[in-house]
Amino acid sequence: DAKTTQPNSMESNEEEPVHLPCNHSTISGTDYIHWYRQLPSQGPEYVIHGLTSNVNNRMASLAIAEDRKSSTLILHRATLRDAAVYYCILRLHSGAGSYQLTFGKGTKLSVIP
Amino acid sequence: DTGVSQNPRHKITKRGQNVTFRCDPISEHNRLYWYRQTLGQGPEFLTYFQNEAQLEKSRLLSDRFSAERPKGSFSTLEIQRTEQGDSAMYLCASSSGGSADSNQPQHFGDGTRLSIL
Repeated sequence: DAKTTQPNSMESNEEEPVHLPCNHSTISGTDYIHWYRQLPSQGPEYVIHGLTSNVNNRMASLAIAEDRKSSTLILHRATLRDAAVYYCILRLHSGAGSYQLTFGKGTKLSVIP
Repeated sequence: DTGVSQNPRHKITKRGQNVTFRCDPISEHNRLYWYRQTLGQGPEFLTYFQNEAQLEKSRLLSDRFSAERPKGSFSTLEIQRTEQGDSAMYLCASSSGGSADSNQPQHFGDGTRLSIL
């Protein structure tokens, strides 16, 4: 299975942008890049996903490198509620094994008031 | 959308006892997943249902574990003869989607925390 590498932790000041990196050098052509986050004492929450093109939604933006070997989750203005563990996950589009999420340890984001 | 509901939120039991957890997915979701999460680690996949059919089980799901989704709605996860190593957060998730596209987001409940004395 293709794996992802993320920094263990990051800090950001409140109301500033945050760029969370993820390396996935062994990504295959059919792997989608998903991001989830987990707030303290809660289950994981879907954030965003993409294949090749950059993606935006109400929560965040996903910037995918041209060679797809890395991606960056962008929170445009960090708030205290964004303090969480952020997971970068590769998923197959379809077929065997595509239904499960394989979580790593993620990046713990701390937001400083 | 009332979200994924899991009960109980906490369960404390003695080693060797059986426990059962319940998950109520989002009502229109045909897919249901169970994960386990230990402290400091990301969740680990246990099993997956499409409607009432259990289509995949992880090697983590020993023969003491059994999961059911009898009518394709709620699901139960039972652990028999609990052991210390079973202490963890058990998370349930659900999603929509057919077989051609597995990229529908999974919506998670807040889990059942199991503590084995």
